[in-house]
Formats: sequence, structure tokens, C-alpha cells
Amino acid sequence: QSALTQPASVSGSPGQSLTISCTGASVDSYYYVSWYQRYSGKAPTLLIYDVNKRPSGVSNRFSGSKSGNTASLTISGLQAEDEADYYCCSYAGRDTYVVFGGGTKLTVL
Amino acid sequence: EVQLVESGGGLVQPGGSLRLSCAASGFTFSSHNMYWVRQPPGKGLVWVSRLNSDGRTTTYADSVRGRFTISRDDSKNTLYLQMDSLSAEDTAVYFCGRGIVGDSVAFDLWGQGTVVTVSS
Repeated sequence: QSALTQPASVSGSPGQSLTISCTGASVDSYYYVSWYQRYSGKAPTLLIYDVNKRPSGVSNRFSGSKSGNTASLTISGLQAEDEADYYCCSYAGRDTYVVFGGGTKLTVL
Repeated sequence: EVQLVESGGGLVQPGGSLRLSCAASGFTFSSHNMYWVRQPPGKGLVWVSRLNSDGRTTTYADSVRGRFTISRDDSKNTLYLQMDSLSAEDTAVYFCGRGIVGDSVAFDLWGQGTVVTVSS
């Protein structure tokens, strides 16, 4: 069982906006929440860090936020290429250090 | 090219050992904290270990503490993971990840992964 809870799957149509949630105690405690995209068989890539910062080169269709113990990744203008697995991650203190969510499979209808 | 390339995975019997390597190129390896993350079959990502850029500060997940050892050789731009007393629960794809520079905890570069299978 993952320390962060994500929906197992979400789906949306091209052009729509979609939000993936990530819930856990560490999200409420720290500002180091990050999101990763992973295509099957490929290396994960960083989409968002520090809750809402985008690395250079990441589309501005991806945005992050948090409220209390829930972080959110919003994808606007959904495209077929967004079909992938998405993972949230949070710093969880000096001992546990980092926890991941179980991952969310995004399907573009 | 900026990249991380893992190697050293394979099939090992329960109780056995493996040493994974992660070769870095295209960036100043010594400036980054480095991490190992694994993905068991059919499951999500799980953080395994971290080693700071100072080469001394380490942290391990409870599930591997005392059995796995993370290390680095900055002269070779390589990160290692020595895995001992392996069990079936260690079967996974193992990724190395580069820590983002600055006061943050995130992985801004990942390798493609190396597969570790623990089975008799």
C-alpha cells in the first residue's frame, strides 16, 4: 500500500481538462511534491516539482497545486500523447525521505 | 548527451547478491544527489535509497536497510547499489535518478532501468 493515494485510472476526451489527485499526510507537511509521467517501458520524466514549478521544456498544459493533504496535477487541452502513467511523489521527512503514489493510468478516449 | 544508464541487473537466486551501476554523462555528476527507485511487477514506483553529493549522507527505505548499500565514484561518474540477501520481494525494475539542484526533492533525470529478478 502506497503512502500517497492516487486514483488507479482516469480518462478524458481530447481537448478536455483533467485533474489527478494525490492524497497523503506528507503532502500536508511539506512543499516538496513532484509529479512524473511514464510511458510504458520508458524512463519517467519530471513534470512538476515543488508543488507547482515546471522544469524547462515541460508543456504549460501541465500544472500543479495542493490544498491541505491533497496535491493535484491538472492537464489542460488533453492530447492523445498524454496517455501514460502519472505518479506523484512527496518528501516525507528525514527517515522515510520520499514516498510515491501508486500511479494513475490516464486514458485519452 | 545528458543521460543515465543502468546496468548490472539479472536473475539471481534468493539470498544472493547483485551490484547495480548507473553511468552518468553530459552533466556534472558530483553536483547532484542521486537516488535509486524501483518498480515491482504490476506495481508503482518505490523509492529505495539516496546518496547526497557529499558522498556520505545516505538514506534507505525500511525494506532494504541493512541489505542494500548505495555508493558513488565521482571520478567515474557512476552510482552503485550493492544488493545483498535478496528475496523475491526485491524483484523489480531498478531506476537511478538525479536529484534536482537546489533546495528541493525531485528527480529531474532518470535512466531506462535495469531488471532484477530474484527466483530459484
